[in-house]
Amino acid sequence: AQSVTQPDIHITVSEGASLELRCNYSYGATPYLFWYVQSPGQGLQLLLKYFSGDTLVQGIKGFEAEFKRSQSSFNLRKPSVHWSDAAEYFCAAIMEYGNKLVFGAGTILRVKS
Amino acid sequence: DGGITQSPKYLFRKEGQNVTLSCEQNLNHDAMYWYRQDPGQGLRLIYYSQIVNDFQKGDIAEGYSVSREKKESFPLTVTSAQKNPTAFYLCASSYGDPWDYGYTFGSGTRLTVV
Repeated sequence: AQSVTQPDIHITVSEGASLELRCNYSYGATPYLFWYVQSPGQGLQLLLKYFSGDTLVQGIKGFEAEFKRSQSSFNLRKPSVHWSDAAEYFCAAIMEYGNKLVFGAGTILRVKS
Repeated sequence: DGGITQSPKYLFRKEGQNVTLSCEQNLNHDAMYWYRQDPGQGLRLIYYSQIVNDFQKGDIAEGYSVSREKKESFPLTVTSAQKNPTAFYLCASSYGDPWDYGYTFGSGTRLTVV
C-alpha cells in the first residue's frame, strides 16, 4: 500500500544542536515529496518540496532535505536548531494521479535550552 | 492578503447533532480539500474537490458530507453518523499542479462533541 512513515513520534534536541527527522515512503516510483511544519493549534506551512533533479533541496527557515531513492527516504535536516523550531513536522507525498497529499503521522520536536 | 479562512476556530456540539464547518478561500484555487487530524495519526483526507459542483470521497468520508457550489467555498458537514467526530479539521486548497505550489492550509477548526 502507498504510505508515508515517520518513525519518530517525538524528538528532543538541545538548542544549537543539529536535527534530522526521518521520513520513508512506500511507492513503486518516485513520489512528489513535501515537508510541512505545524505550530500548536495552527495550520500547516510548507517547508520544502522535491519533485526531481538535485536530491538535496533547500527550504525556508534554514531547513534542507535529502532524497535517497535507494532508501525510499526524504529526511529533513537543520544544522542548528532554535527554540522557535519546536513544532510538529509532517512529511507528505503525492503518489498517484489526483494530486492527493498523503501524510505521515508527524514528529513532535521539542527543543531544550 | 489572500488565504484560507476556517471558522469557527473552536466548535462545541452535543452528540447526535449535525454541524457544519466553514472553509473560504480567496486565492482563486481550483482544488479544495478537507483533512481530519488526530494525535499520532497525521492528517487523513475526508473529501476533496477539484472543480465546482464536483467532489470525491477521501479515505475517511463516512459520516461526513460536503458541497462545492462556489469556487471559493467548501463547507464540511459532520453528521450524527460520524462515530467519533471530536478532532481538529483542516481545510486546504491548491492551484493548478500542487507539485508546483503545494497546498495552502487554513488554521483549522477544533470540534468537540460532548
